[in-house]
Amino acid sequence: AQSVTQPDARVTVSEGASLQLRCKYSYFGTPYLFWYVQYPRQGLQLLLKYYPGDPVVQGVNGFEAEFSKSNSSFHLRKASVHWSDWAVYFCAVSNYGNEKITFGAGTKLTIKP
Amino acid sequence: EAAVTQSPRNKVAVTGGKVTLSCNQTNNHNNMYWYRQDTGHGLRLIHYSYGAGSTEKGDIPDGYKASRPSQENFSLILELATPSQTSVYFCASGDRGRGTEVFFGKGTRLTVV
Repeated sequence: AQSVTQPDARVTVSEGASLQLRCKYSYFGTPYLFWYVQYPRQGLQLLLKYYPGDPVVQGVNGFEAEFSKSNSSFHLRKASVHWSDWAVYFCAVSNYGNEKITFGAGTKLTIKP
Repeated sequence: EAAVTQSPRNKVAVTGGKVTLSCNQTNNHNNMYWYRQDTGHGLRLIHYSYGAGSTEKGDIPDGYKASRPSQENFSLILELATPSQTSVYFCASGDRGRGTEVFFGKGTRLTVV
């Protein structure tokens, strides 16, 4: 069965500092991986997605993620966070036909001024 | 623009009562999903659908039924609501196929008293 683990429930960084949010996945075969962001009282919005190919994926608002098959990981990074990045971030894996998408528990990002 | 609309946005129900959460999408997507979001668990898949007339069990289907009468509409039904079903419910839609983006509604906050 496919699964996603986000080991950090909460992360706090200072504005302007770099960021890494961790994601580990379990999937038999070629995974399709996503990072979504949820702003307060809203649904989820796509940040970026990984298709088999280049392991580093660029997303919106300066976010990028790196896929590692050997580590079963898909970590999210940003070079310099802004207060507007304050949100909950979800990593997800889908099967081939996209019928079943499994999300991690989420990481709540807090920005210190 | 992709749109997923949920109704109602907030609902208070009594224990043992019947609750129906509705979802409408104007994206002409084949796949639709119902998730619940709880602190510490992230999003968990309740039911999903490949298209009109189909419903499939997700990871936590017990206590829930789903109905997909048309391409656009997907309902989640709680026949006998219980306090443990108090949660925020999200509907989403997406195309069938490799790792395509899923679009979420803004959520329904359900409280069962």
